[in-house]
Amino acid sequence: GAGVSQSPSNKVTEKGKDVELRCDPISGHTALYWYRQSLGQGLEFLIYFQGNSAPDKSGLPSDRFSAERTGGSVSTLTIQRTQQEDSAVYLCASSGFGQINEQFFGPGTRLTVL
Amino acid sequence: SQKIEQNSEALNIQEGKTATLTCNYTNYSPAYLQWYRQDPGRGPVFLLLIRENEKEKRKERLKVTFDTTLKQSLFHITASQPADSATYLCALDMREGYSTLTFGKGTMLLVSP
Repeated sequence: GAGVSQSPSNKVTEKGKDVELRCDPISGHTALYWYRQSLGQGLEFLIYFQGNSAPDKSGLPSDRFSAERTGGSVSTLTIQRTQQEDSAVYLCASSGFGQINEQFFGPGTRLTVL
Repeated sequence: SQKIEQNSEALNIQEGKTATLTCNYTNYSPAYLQWYRQDPGRGPVFLLLIRENEKEKRKERLKVTFDTTLKQSLFHITASQPADSATYLCALDMREGYSTLTFGKGTMLLVSP
């Protein structure tokens, strides 16, 4: 596609359930990032993938959060045993390697944990 | 760790005026600094990047300055329009080529007709 896409756009879940959020980056982009944005807060870095290198997981807030990137393209962010404080907008971005590090963002997934 | 400060109060200006937004950072100087625009319900959109050895960068009605001594970047929109109303985010990264970005919380700009 022309841009970064994310699905679902909205997700409402009950506390304790697992959720999966999907990101389709721009074709050919080697770098993929996940961020979290809570109401009135800035973007919080979660995880970064670059090509086939081991991901930078330094931003994941707990071991309930994990992410994978299959075939160097699509990425899935999984949150296990969701908590109410996980409610936020989860944004995915991609960028090309070796270029100016402009990041292209998707529209985000709004997660609400009841 | 790096801390980024952007004015949390919304900036209200009249159409046609120049809007100036401030981004201050603490600790070490970044390799470069970026500005993004975010509209409600959407992801941020890249606007401009300025490197540490550049004093100023322009793009159409936008101008960014970078003062590594003051640890500050200023973002200007000249001849502002109501369509410029949005939240503007400052972001820093440390390594060229690939890196994570550290974002400020953003400043909301409201341009009234």
